[in-house]
Amino acid sequence: DTGVSQDPRHKITKRGQNVTFRCDPISEHNRLYWYRQTLGQGPEFLTYFQNEAQLEKSRLLSDRFSAERPKGSFSTLEIQRTEQGDSAMYLCASSSVGTGLSPLHFGNGTRLTVT
Amino acid sequence: KQEVTQIPAALSVPEGENLVLNCSFTDSAIYNLQWFRQDPGKGLTSLLLIQSSQREQTSGRLNASLDKSSGRSTLYIAASQPGDSATYLCAVRHAGNMLTFGGGTRLMVKP
Repeated sequence: DTGVSQDPRHKITKRGQNVTFRCDPISEHNRLYWYRQTLGQGPEFLTYFQNEAQLEKSRLLSDRFSAERPKGSFSTLEIQRTEQGDSAMYLCASSSVGTGLSPLHFGNGTRLTVT
Repeated sequence: KQEVTQIPAALSVPEGENLVLNCSFTDSAIYNLQWFRQDPGKGLTSLLLIQSSQREQTSGRLNASLDKSSGRSTLYIAASQPGDSATYLCAVRHAGNMLTFGGGTRLMVKP
């Protein structure tokens, strides 16, 4: 089963460091989404790509956050100058193109802890 | 702005009970609604997807309904089992192709 894959599973970093996460979507899916989830809350939308184009960005995505999907396949999410408030689970999801009909499939997430 | 609310936030039931989880949303202009299960420290597993034109979907012991005009969905779990213990999240797909999630219902099924 080649589901959505995220790497690393866990990341512990010191405040002020940069971190980068990777997401590999289901191979035939051309939409890719990033979400952030804090403890006890539902996931919050960060950004999404259709192929290599970044079509939507949440206001949650500050200037310290950048996401790329250079060849329309895997995606990276980078956080610069991490802050303790960035500690969360970062979830990636993918879906196929359609008029909003196809379900999103999520990976197991990357848990970030900023000390 | 779309807002999604789930009630109750937490629920504890004895094994074998039938139960209903509630989800409400403020803007009825949705494409679809999806119910997910999340185990502690894990990602989300899709349970059921209801298109905006549908009224319900069933999978095994799960049945989800959608009343778009009133902005409500329910997830019915029949004959609950300890293995059903998890957090259940509902999410609506709307303009901009994004999902907006509720805060989830944490379910504990006691043996």
